[in-house]
Amino acid sequence: QVQLQESGPGLVKPSQTLSLTCTVSGGSISSGGYYWSWIRQHPGKGLEWIGYIYYSGSTYYNPSLKSRVTISVDTSKNQFSLKLSSVTAADTAVYYCASESGYYYVYWGQGTLVTVSS
Amino acid sequence: QSVLTQPPSVSGAPGQRVTISCTGSSSNIGAGYDVHWYQQLPGTAPKLLIYGNSNRPSGVPDRFSGSKSGTSASLAITGLQAEDEADYYCQSYDSSLSARVFGGGTKLTVL
Repeated sequence: QVQLQESGPGLVKPSQTLSLTCTVSGGSISSGGYYWSWIRQHPGKGLEWIGYIYYSGSTYYNPSLKSRVTISVDTSKNQFSLKLSSVTAADTAVYYCASESGYYYVYWGQGTLVTVSS
Repeated sequence: QSVLTQPPSVSGAPGQRVTISCTGSSSNIGAGYDVHWYQQLPGTAPKLLIYGNSNRPSGVPDRFSGSKSGTSASLAITGLQAEDEADYYCQSYDSSLSARVFGGGTKLTVL
């Protein structure tokens, strides 16, 4: 059973860069078969796909966020990471990491709330 | 405004059947992309409920079923139970946006 766990600062100042890491256990990122994804949920709202990375390093981002998003992978640590630059209050959300297979999300992390505030 | 439209809320009594609709367009559901459904219990991460329009992952009760027709999809829950009270989201792919897209979510209340 694959498990995912998000980690990172819960508070980020406006205009700074949000950085989160997802640690995968119970399976290897390098084994293939999954696209390692980030999804966010604004408070009381729906879900928004941010992007994904494959173990090879290839990425695909939501065009609406593409200019500010970078997703990277560290196969040696079985982790992948999200960086979102120039954040504003509109980026306050619960951020989930998840594994995608066949365009759907099989495993999810528990989520981490990131608040953008000075 | 979500690309996939869901009713904000539905309700039903224990034992009843409810359906949740997910309406898209010719660039997502109508283009043949599969629809997937997730259940989000309060304070928890979403959980995959239905994938590929009508397939249930192992462990999901057969009280949950999905279907797709044209530019819409539906999730049906039969034999409603108190534990089914949650938010439900549909998800697909949109070729115009080149993005995975979600519905706005539907809150199910068990009366």
